[in-house]
This record gives sequence, C-alpha cells and structure tokens, in this order.
Amino acid sequence: DIQMTQSPSSLSASIGDRVTITCRPSQSIGSYLNWYQQKPGKAPKLLIYAVSSLQSGVPSRFSGSGSGTEFTLTISSLQPEDVATYYCQQSYSTTFGGGTKVEIK
Amino acid sequence: DVQLVESGGGLVKPGGSLRLSCAASGFTFNTYSMNWIRQAPGKGLEWVSFITSTSDYIYYADSVKGRFTISRDNAKNSLYLQMNSLRAEDTAMYYCVRDYSASGGDALDPWGQGTLVTVSS
Repeated sequence: DIQMTQSPSSLSASIGDRVTITCRPSQSIGSYLNWYQQKPGKAPKLLIYAVSSLQSGVPSRFSGSGSGTEFTLTISSLQPEDVATYYCQQSYSTTFGGGTKVEIK
Repeated sequence: DVQLVESGGGLVKPGGSLRLSCAASGFTFNTYSMNWIRQAPGKGLEWVSFITSTSDYIYYADSVKGRFTISRDNAKNSLYLQMNSLRAEDTAMYYCVRDYSASGGDALDPWGQGTLVTVSS
C-alpha cells in the first residue's frame, strides 16, 4: 500500500500569512494527488485535483504543486474561513494523509 | 444541485449488522463510480469500498473485507453498504462519495453529510 505522510500535523498562522502543507507518498504517484478541506463538523470538500487543478468555486489563494514523491498545498494569504483540517489523497489506491489542522494565531 | 444523503447509521452491538443507504440526486447516477469513506471520531479519513457504475468492479479495504458488502440500485439512484460482524473499531462517520474523473486522475467529489455508526455494548 502507498503510505501518505503529511506535515506538519498542525500549524498556527496569522491572517494574511502564506501557509504551506507538504505531502510525501511512500512511492512515486505521478500526478495522482488531490487535496481536501474539512471544516469542523462538516464533510470534506475537494479543493485541488491532479496536483494543481483548482476545483470549481475554490478561491484562487489555494494552489497545489509537486510531482512524484513530494507535493505541496499553499494558501497564499490565510483567511479566517480557512480554519480547517487539510488532507492529501493519492488516487492510485485511495489512501489519505494524516491531515494538517490549520488554526489562526 | 448534486446531492448525496446518507441514512441508516445508529448504535449497534459488537457482532451486529447495519445497512447504510445513500440517496443520490442532481446527476446521472448510473454513469458514476461510487465510494464509501469513513472517519473515526477525531481521526483521519479511511477509504472503505468502491463500486463502478455498473457494479462490474468492486473493491474493499482489507479492514472490512469479508464483513462489508457494497451494492447499488441504479433504478433507485441509491448506494448501499451492508455491514456485518461489526467491531468497535468500525465506529465512525460513514460518507457516501462520488468518484470524480478528471484529466490526471480521479478524485472524490462531492461528499454526503455522513451517517454515524457506533458499535458498542
């Protein structure tokens, strides 16, 4: 099975800060990498698919990059509504990273 | 609007059974593969099962293989998960999720609101 390692597991940042979350699969997955946002008490929501494609309706401050065995989700300017847990997912065999909880400092 | 609504969760004793349902609307259900994904309280996401649009291919996580059965009724726009021999570690929110095919690979979108399964004596 492909293991997905996300870091950090949590972070606290100020409004307007640039936030970066990293996801490292245990083997190369090409571009089969998606990102999800889960707000407290809600179901997850697709943010980015195929590494860098923004799902419809997702603000442009979110972006994704990477390939092979290292991927990054970036929030260019953190907003209060971005408080959530973020998960990466490889779509070869559908496993998720452990999640990154983002809070406001 | 695309909508997935789960039902059937509840409290069940270890060794018991439960059948989850997911009602789909707002899209052509019989052309999409579907998934069940679960999340234990305070924990991360775990894929449970997958079924193609015509039920030709079905897959399960090792943790539920032999105990859970996924099925669908395209005439009723519904997805199901029959859960037998339930264990405490099956306690989780269960989400019905559509497979979203995009260039570069599949994703999971949208997600239902979830139905909570609690296995406890």
